Amino acid sequence: AQKVTQAQTEISVVEKEDVTLDCVYETRDTTYYLFWYKQPPSGELVFLIRRNSFDEQNEISGRYSWNFQKSTSSFNFTITASQVVDSAVYFCALIRPNAGNNRKLIWGLGTSLAVNP
Amino acid sequence: KAGVTQTPRYLIKTRGQQVTLSCSPISGHRSVSWYQQTPGQGLQFLFEYFSETQRNKGNFPGRFSGRQFSNSRSEMNVSTLELGDSALYLCASSLGETGGNEQYFGPGTRLTVT
Repeated sequence: AQKVTQAQTEISVVEKEDVTLDCVYETRDTTYYLFWYKQPPSGELVFLIRRNSFDEQNEISGRYSWNFQKSTSSFNFTITASQVVDSAVYFCALIRPNAGNNRKLIWGLGTSLAVNP
Repeated sequence: KAGVTQTPRYLIKTRGQQVTLSCSPISGHRSVSWYQQTPGQGLQFLFEYFSETQRNKGNFPGRFSGRQFSNSRSEMNVSTLELGDSALYLCASSLGETGGNEQYFGPGTRLTVT
């Protein structure tokens, strides 16, 4: 079975703190893609990053960084020096491109991040 | 480039009625996917269309249907509405068929069934 688990339902931090959002996935496929999306209060999901299963390089984009570890089936997301504008729900998702009729995004339940001034 | 647009943004319907939601993808995108988002179930995949053909379907009853037009615009229809259909319906577009392509989402249609 394919599954994405975001164990942290809600996180609250004070501005400028670093925060890590956890994502653990399950799949038997060797080819898959992982995604992170941000959903601010406005409701529109915003694409943050895509990573394929053959690329375990970590990625940094400004204050955002991602740690992909196949050994622990995790794809964690860290925000450095958080800001109030980072307050949102963050979703991790998995897709298996070779899954035929089951080729669809499997979503975690999301982590609601509140960054307080 | 304009983003994904969805109309209407808000909708209130009564049980038993039917509803049609519309989605216009980003120009050049040929794939459109629909999702239902509820507090209890999270994001659930409804269906994906590519070049006017349904490519994949999620585990929803036949009351949920969709179609895609030659200009890639898509509509989804829900017949015989139930209270449990109250949700945010999100449309996403991507260049090619959903696989490794990133999807770009619209603002959603908030459907309330009373």
